[in-house]
Amino acid sequence: GAGVSQSPRYKVAKRGQDVALRCDPISGHVSLFWYQQALGQGPEFLTYFQNEAQLDKSGLPSDRFFAERPEGSVSTLKIQRTQQEDSAVYLCASSSRQGINEQFFGPGTRLTVL
Amino acid sequence: SQKIEQNSEALNIQEGKTATLTCNYTNYSPAYLQWYRQDPGRGPVFLLLIRENEKEKRKERLKVTFDTTLKQSLFHITASQPADSATYLCALDITGGSYIPTFGRGTSLIVHP
Repeated sequence: GAGVSQSPRYKVAKRGQDVALRCDPISGHVSLFWYQQALGQGPEFLTYFQNEAQLDKSGLPSDRFFAERPEGSVSTLKIQRTQQEDSAVYLCASSSRQGINEQFFGPGTRLTVL
Repeated sequence: SQKIEQNSEALNIQEGKTATLTCNYTNYSPAYLQWYRQDPGRGPVFLLLIRENEKEKRKERLKVTFDTTLKQSLFHITASQPADSATYLCALDITGGSYIPTFGRGTSLIVHP
């Protein structure tokens, strides 16, 4: 079956622009995670959803970052007034149930802020 | 400070040899540890999960050990192949039982034919 998909794969934004990154998790997966990965680093946790509920947003670096999953499937990560330090790969992952499980990652969206 | 340490230097080995990657952590008592593989331009792919009460776990050519006294996990790939070349990430829960893993920076493995 289809894996986790993300769009766009690449995004170039001018500093100050707003961007929206989309994640389509595996159908039926309850848990959804967003991570930020800088070059040469591991993924860093941003936020976690269980169905439509955002249970943890402790990793969001500022109030310019906002995530939603209104119907418990597709999720959108929005970054307002982008800054150069927001340049990174944004990864989405889903897992089939709550708890300690294998995460299935999407290919990521590479965001470059000029 | 709390850390997850993976060797930042690439590991270069010859095809057919066993690759051993290390994940050390400090100040945590994780309930589990995971290993992922990441290829350039792709998201991580789950390989193995080992829980705190397990010493060793195997899957095909892969073996993971988990020493909670040494605060270390070793990841072995036996009979390595050039196709095993990738970055390998360890991830563990830093709060004991959390289902949100914290990732190390990964170690690059290069298997030479």
